[in-house]
Amino acid sequence: AQTVTQSQPEMSVQEAETVTLSCTYDTSESDYYLFWYKQPPSRQMILVIRQEAYKQQNATENRFSVNFQKAAKSFSLKISDSQLGDAAMYFCAYRSAHGGSQGNLIFGKGTKLSVKP
Amino acid sequence: DTAVSQTPKYLVTQMGNDKSIKCEQNLGHDTMYWYKQDSKKFLKIMFSYNNKELIINETVPNRFSPKSPDKAHLNLHINSLELGDSAVYFCASSQVVLTEAFFGQGTRLTVV
Repeated sequence: AQTVTQSQPEMSVQEAETVTLSCTYDTSESDYYLFWYKQPPSRQMILVIRQEAYKQQNATENRFSVNFQKAAKSFSLKISDSQLGDAAMYFCAYRSAHGGSQGNLIFGKGTKLSVKP
Repeated sequence: DTAVSQTPKYLVTQMGNDKSIKCEQNLGHDTMYWYKQDSKKFLKIMFSYNNKELIINETVPNRFSPKSPDKAHLNLHINSLELGDSAVYFCASSQVVLTEAFFGQGTRLTVV
């Protein structure tokens, strides 16, 4: 079974600085998708970024980028120029590309990010 | 024009009651899910429906019963509520189970 591990329960960053959130996963599959979701205090789950395993290029969305290391099964999220609005729980998630009963998201336990003004 | 909407947002009820949470998506997606987020913020899949058919049914008590009248709706009915059922329940949808899931705003269920 696939697992997702986020080893940092809490992180803190100064406003305008850069922070990296770690995520590792375990799978025997070669085709899958990886995601980072943000959950602010409002509780809404917001997709931050996605990465297809077959793509070597790291995904980027504005200030958010990932470092995807397939061989190491690592998928870290870098937030540049941190803003107060980035404060939230961040969840790393895995999804098999095979669909059916394997198509659901498997989440890590989350990292709570605080941003200091 | 909310993409995935759940009602109610908050639900406080007594032990032993039966309650339902409704979910609707207007994205035209063919797959819908129910996730449970416990007090430690851990998210876990409960059920998944594809075109109104159940495809994932994780180990949850049979007091929980999902119902999908059409592919835009997936409701969650819970019988004989227990204290341990207190959690946030999220509905989500995706297309062809191969893309990211879009989540509703969650329903915070409190059983007293």
